[in-house]
Amino acid sequence: QQQVKQSPQSLIVQKGGISIINCAYENTAFDYFPWYQQFPGKGPALLIAIRPDVSEKKEGRFTISFNKSAKQFSLHIMDSQPGDSATYFCAATGPGGTSYGKLTFGQGTILTVHP
Amino acid sequence: EAQVTQNPRYLITVTGKKLTVTCSQNMNHEYMSWYRQDPGLGLRQIYYSMNVEVTDKGDVPEGYKVSRKEKRNFPLILESPSPNQTSLYFCASRLREGYSYEQYFGPGTRLTVT
Repeated sequence: QQQVKQSPQSLIVQKGGISIINCAYENTAFDYFPWYQQFPGKGPALLIAIRPDVSEKKEGRFTISFNKSAKQFSLHIMDSQPGDSATYFCAATGPGGTSYGKLTFGQGTILTVHP
Repeated sequence: EAQVTQNPRYLITVTGKKLTVTCSQNMNHEYMSWYRQDPGLGLRQIYYSMNVEVTDKGDVPEGYKVSRKEKRNFPLILESPSPNQTSLYFCASRLREGYSYEQYFGPGTRLTVT
C-alpha cells in the first residue's frame, strides 16, 4: 500500500528551466511533508519541508506548494541547474500510526538537467 | 563531523549466510531506523528504535532483526538472507522528541544476495 504517490518517475529539464515534481497522500494524519534529495552513492538529505498550515514555502530556488484539501504537494525547482540532477523523494509523517515519526516515502523522481 | 556511518558499503553474499550491517551515529540521537530502497518503491522502513533496548517493526520487517544495546549503534541482521533482500539499505537517525526533526541518513549499503 503506497500511501504517498509521486510523479513523474523521471524528468528531463534544460538548464534554466523549471522542474516540477508532484506528490499525493492518503493519510490525513500526516502533518509534516519533507522533500529529500539523493545524489548517486549518497544517502538522502533533507532539502525542504512544509507543514499543512501554510500553502507555500520557499528556500532559494526550491519551493513547496501545498494543497491540503486535495491532499497534494509539489516541489518546484526554479532556474534548474545541472548540479540539481539527482533523485528526489517526497515524504510524509505525523504523530499517529504504529511507527512514530516514520517517514513514508514516495517512489522517487530522477531529475536530469541538461546544460 | 556529525554523521551516520554504515559498514560495509557493498556486500555480495549467498543465500542463507548470516550477515550484519553496522550503523553508528555520533549525534547522540535517540531515534534510529533502517530503510531499504528499491526501484519504483522509494524507501520503506524495516525497523526502528526509540532508544536503547527499545525496537519495533516498520513496514517490511520480515527476514530482518535489529538490536540496540548502545545509543550510538543500531546493527541490521539478516540471519538467512534470500535473493529478495537484494537492495540498497540506509540507516537513519534523529532526535526522539518531535517527529518533524530532520532525519540524517547514512551513505547506504548495497547488498546482493545470490
